[in-house]
Amino acid sequence: ELKVEQNPLFLSMQEGKNYTIYCNYSTTSDRLYWYRQDPGKSLESLFVLLSNGAVKQEGRLMASLDTKARLSTLHITAAVHDLSATYFCAVGKTLWNNNNDMRFGAGTRLTVKP
Amino acid sequence: AAGVIQSPRHLIKEKRETATLKCYPIPRHDTVYWYQQGPGQDPQFLISFYEKMQSDKGSIPDRFSAQQFSDYHSELNMSSLELGDSALYFCASSLGLAGARTGELFFGEGSRLTVL
Repeated sequence: ELKVEQNPLFLSMQEGKNYTIYCNYSTTSDRLYWYRQDPGKSLESLFVLLSNGAVKQEGRLMASLDTKARLSTLHITAAVHDLSATYFCAVGKTLWNNNNDMRFGAGTRLTVKP
Repeated sequence: AAGVIQSPRHLIKEKRETATLKCYPIPRHDTVYWYQQGPGQDPQFLISFYEKMQSDKGSIPDRFSAQQFSDYHSELNMSSLELGDSALYFCASSLGLAGARTGELFFGEGSRLTVL
């Protein structure tokens, strides 16, 4: 059974600081996703990582994937208040069976303080 | 661009009542997924459909059923509602094989169900 572990679950940062959120998963997968969710809102897709060594960056966020270690990281650079949200990683099942459903980590609730 | 549309956005029901949530995928998307997110929880996969057939099943209670229709919209039917069913229900869609290769899932805004 695919399990996804995310840490930390809660993160309080000062503006301007850097930090990394970690996502470990238990079985082989072809796809890893990072989502952002604001309270009561939908899931906003941040990154889709499809191959070992994939690295993607958007603004102050950078995501990477190591499929051998079954680990993805979401690195936050010089945090700003607008980044406060809950961040989920999600791991998809294999591509070949045409099934796209995924399993989510517990989420990291990020608060960026002035 | 058209997104995934869910209705209703908010729904209040009493215990033991029945509720139906609807999901209209992005045009040409043939795969639909349902997720349940309880307060402070991560989204839990319920069920998915590809080309109107159930493609995978997660932690969907027996009191719930779902189907995908010929126009690819999907409905999640929930009966004998319990307090614990109060949650945000998300629908997502993707484009079959092409979607599987790109890994793209698109989520709707969600339907918030409150059971009193």
